[in-house]
Order: sequence, then C-alpha cells, then structure tokens
Amino acid sequence: DSGVTQTPKHLITATGQRVTLRCSPRSGDLSVYWYQQSLDQGLQFLIQYYNGEERAKGNILERFSAQQFPDLHSELNLSSLELGDSALYFCASSVEGKVATDTQYFGPGTRLTVL
Amino acid sequence: DAKTTQPNSMESNEEEPVHLPCNHSTISGTDYIHWYRQLPSQGPEYVIHGLTSNVNNRMASLAIAEDRKSSTLILHRATLRDAAVYYCILPPGGNQFYFGTGTSLTVIP
Repeated sequence: DSGVTQTPKHLITATGQRVTLRCSPRSGDLSVYWYQQSLDQGLQFLIQYYNGEERAKGNILERFSAQQFPDLHSELNLSSLELGDSALYFCASSVEGKVATDTQYFGPGTRLTVL
Repeated sequence: DAKTTQPNSMESNEEEPVHLPCNHSTISGTDYIHWYRQLPSQGPEYVIHGLTSNVNNRMASLAIAEDRKSSTLILHRATLRDAAVYYCILPPGGNQFYFGTGTSLTVIP
C-alpha cells in the first residue's frame, strides 16, 4: 500500500460526458502527479501540482483539467469524453515535487471506460 | 532529452539473479537514473535511483557505468513476485517522467 488513494476504482460512462477523478496523496507529500495509461500509448505524464500550484504540464488534452486543493488532494476533470479516453489514470505523490530526485508513490489507479 | 533503450522482454529462473540493462547514451551530467516497476494490474512502484555511483537498497542494486551511458538493475534473487514491467527513466532536466515501453520480466518457477 503506497498510501496514495484514488477514487473511484472503476468508472463507466458514455461519450460526451464529464467525469472527475480524485486523488489523496500520502500524508506529508506536497506534490501530486497525474498519468494516463492506455494500451497504445503506454504510461504518459499529464500534469504535476505542488502545494496547490501547477508545476509541470505534459500531454494533457485541453478537454482535461486538474487542480490541487488546500488540503492537498487533487482532482482530474475529463470532459467531452471520447472512446479514446478509455484508460487507466494514475495519481502519484512525492514530498517536494523534485522530479529529478523525489520518489513518486503511485496510487492503484482509476479505470475509465467510455462507451 | 536523454532517451533510454531497454530490451522488450527478459526471462529469469526463480531464485537466480537478474540483470536488467538500460542504455542512455545521451545522458547529461545532472540526469538521475530512476527505476520503477509495474506489477500486473497495479500502479508503478519505485525500485531505486542514482546519479553516479552504484546504489543498493532492500529491493535491488543499481550499477551505473563509469561513463554513465548505461546502467543495470540487479535483482539478487528473482521471485515470482518480481514478474513485472521494469522502467528505466531519466527525467530530462528533472521536469517529468517518460516511462517508455520498459522490459517485461518473466520469472520461471
């Protein structure tokens, strides 16, 4: 158990809909990362937050947005969903948000299925 | 940006050592080398990381070549639980992780 929690575990929805994925980091960790894992693209970095502020952006679509709240939990919002958005979404957390040296602790993931 | 090259798959017998190679010939002087693994149906899990000298922890050892253009993750005694995809990662400029395709390790009982 990494200490990172993600809800829900599974989500099934229809094209065009909007969903919110939630992540609670490990106690004491200030930085949160979001990743998407699909069969054809592998594990891709989406976005990183540190203490409520966006720190780095990866291959995140404009239809996706995220935020980190004062209590440090984070939410990833996916809108206008398409079939290709079906994937596993992982959240990770680390203490200082220093990618070069921090250890990232990953949650169990949310499996999103878009029908 | 430093790119990594790993074999797609490897096999090992249970209780034998496993050496997982990674080439990163364009590594810069400040790039740390990270290894993560992903067991089936789970999120990635940290294994080890290092900069220049060899590193050891309870899970594995990391051997870094003197010119830093390659590294090897060493699992000293493979168990069935070590069957996973192993990723060698060099975050470019310390900005973000690129996981690549990794090496799928099969452990044979």
